[in-house]
Amino acid sequence: GAGVSQSPRYKVAKRGQDVALRCDPISGHVSLFWYQQALGQGPEFLTYFQNEAQLDKSGLPSDRFFAERPEGSVSTLKIQRTQQEDSAVYLCASSQNRLQGSAKNIQYFGAGTRLSVL
Amino acid sequence: SQQGEEDPQALSIQEGENATMNCSYKTSINNLQWYRQNSGRGLVHLILIRSNEREKHSGRLRVTLDTSKKSSSLLITASRAADTASYFCATWDNYGQNFVFGPGTRLSVLP
Repeated sequence: GAGVSQSPRYKVAKRGQDVALRCDPISGHVSLFWYQQALGQGPEFLTYFQNEAQLDKSGLPSDRFFAERPEGSVSTLKIQRTQQEDSAVYLCASSQNRLQGSAKNIQYFGAGTRLSVL
Repeated sequence: SQQGEEDPQALSIQEGENATMNCSYKTSINNLQWYRQNSGRGLVHLILIRSNEREKHSGRLRVTLDTSKKSSSLLITASRAADTASYFCATWDNYGQNFVFGPGTRLSVLP
């Protein structure tokens, strides 16, 4: 597609429910990032993929958060047993690669999924 | 944790005026990037400045970088109502692993 696509745009979940958020990156982009953005704050890094390999998951806040990118394209962020503090906008971004100093590491963002946990 | 910090947190100006936002960071960087986020939307990349560059221009945008002070500024000249958005600086951390955003400056341009 022309840009990064995320679905759903909005998700309301009851506390304790599992949710799955989808990201379709720009075709051919090697790198894929997930971020969590609380209201009025900047995005906080969650995890990073290079192709299908999850190279960094240091930002995932708990073991209830799980991300995958099995074929190196579409990625899914899953949150199990959602809690109210999980309410945030979840942003996905992709880039051609992540070489520092290269314009190819510019990240292109999707519109995000706004998760509200009641 | 967020490496960058922007100031001011919020800025309100009249259309046609210039807007200046500042960003400070903590560690050595390879490059610094500025992004814009309109309400309810994803982030849009504005400009990238490398550590060996001191100033860069793109249209009405001017970015400066002072690596000795670990700071950067974004100047938007002749602002328009459509410039109303949040502006974030972002850098790779010194391990080159995490891309870290500041908390952002919320700019309001009044017609």
